[in-house]
Amino acid sequence: DAKTTQPTSMDCAEGRAANLPCNHSTISGNEYVYWYRQIHSQGPQYIIHGLKNNETNEMASLIITEDRKSSTLILPHATLRDTAVYYCIVCPSNTGKLIFGQGTTLQVKP
Amino acid sequence: EAGVAQSPRYKIIEKRQSVAFWCNPISGHATLYWYQQILGQGPKLLIQFQNNGVVDDSQLPKDRFSAERLKGVDSTLKIQPAKLEDSAVYLCASSSDYEQYFGPGTRLTVT
Repeated sequence: DAKTTQPTSMDCAEGRAANLPCNHSTISGNEYVYWYRQIHSQGPQYIIHGLKNNETNEMASLIITEDRKSSTLILPHATLRDTAVYYCIVCPSNTGKLIFGQGTTLQVKP
Repeated sequence: EAGVAQSPRYKIIEKRQSVAFWCNPISGHATLYWYQQILGQGPKLLIQFQNNGVVDDSQLPKDRFSAERLKGVDSTLKIQPAKLEDSAVYLCASSSDYEQYFGPGTRLTVT
């Protein structure tokens, strides 16, 4: 299974865009990039996923580089409620086998 | 729709005792997962069920952990006997396609 590398922590000002990077240089052709987040004392929550095209939903945007070796999750207008640990995960879409790393702790500040 | 339900929410036991956790997935979700999350770490998959069959239990410490999913709906995870290093949050998740829905977890403290 491909591994991911994320910064340990990041800060973001409330109302500004939060850009969370992820490196996955050993990703295989059939592996998707998934993002989940975990707010304190809650279970993880799905945000978005993609294979090679950029994706957008009501929560966030996912930008995947052309070589698929890295990606960026974008929260367009961060709020205090977006403070959480964000996990970038790669896995084949049909296995459901999520391997969580340490993630990035995002602190949104007023 | 109702989310994934887990009980109990908290449990404190002494080492060498046994404990069981219960999970009720979202109605209609065929796939059910149990994860262990130690403080400061990401969740680690213990076992994955597809209906009532085991898909992956490679990370389950089978000498002390067991899990079942009777009738392909509810599931229980048991630890017997518990060790100090089993102190963690045990998360249950279910899915019908690509998105996993997680419950609130059971926080286990082994003293």
